[in-house]
Amino acid sequence: DGGITQSPKYLFRKEGQNVTLSCEQNLNHDAMYWYRQDPGQGLRLIYYSQIVNDFQKGDIAEGYSVSREKKESFPLTVTSAQKNPTAFYLCATRTWSGNQPQHFGDGTRLSIL
Amino acid sequence: GIQVEQSPPDLILQEGANSTLRCNFSDSVNNLQWFHQNPWGQLINLFYIPSGTKQNGRLSATTVATERYSLLYISSSQTTDSGVYFCAVQLRGKSTFGDGTTLTVKP
Repeated sequence: DGGITQSPKYLFRKEGQNVTLSCEQNLNHDAMYWYRQDPGQGLRLIYYSQIVNDFQKGDIAEGYSVSREKKESFPLTVTSAQKNPTAFYLCATRTWSGNQPQHFGDGTRLSIL
Repeated sequence: GIQVEQSPPDLILQEGANSTLRCNFSDSVNNLQWFHQNPWGQLINLFYIPSGTKQNGRLSATTVATERYSLLYISSSQTTDSGVYFCAVQLRGKSTFGDGTTLTVKP
């Protein structure tokens, strides 16, 4: 969706290295989400944040960390503790007022060198 | 947590055929969305439909919240409809996706 920017599009990580994926939005949405998608599978929730300076673990948070210092930004760090980080990572946003749909960025593909 | 099951997992159609995709969920939910994922991985919103019926061109969707299922109808399918269709439900801010239906439309 326009208004949600994920960068970079492709990212390569060496063993033992932390990497950070960027997600920025200009939609003024309150909530932001990070998902992981493995080949042939659905999306699984890593972390989500409903307001600034607050976030919750999703279903597969181990080996990942996030921060929400600004409403517009929700970076995801893939730490060296995540033993199988190769996947497609998608960021989503949603406004909190009323029941509103999620909107997605174009994703980042992370691979291990 | 909530379980979301989509069926069928794979569907192959001739161009012009109609199809119905199903999404079952295990608990009451606040929201339900249908997405189409194109070959480049982009997720396109199709419908936001926690209940009732909506139509958009050749696509329509119905959610029966009391019976915990949703249906996506594709009529007169085209090759550009190929891809993976996902159903996603939300409860108390947390989202759960099904594993998707992979649709292949042959010319």
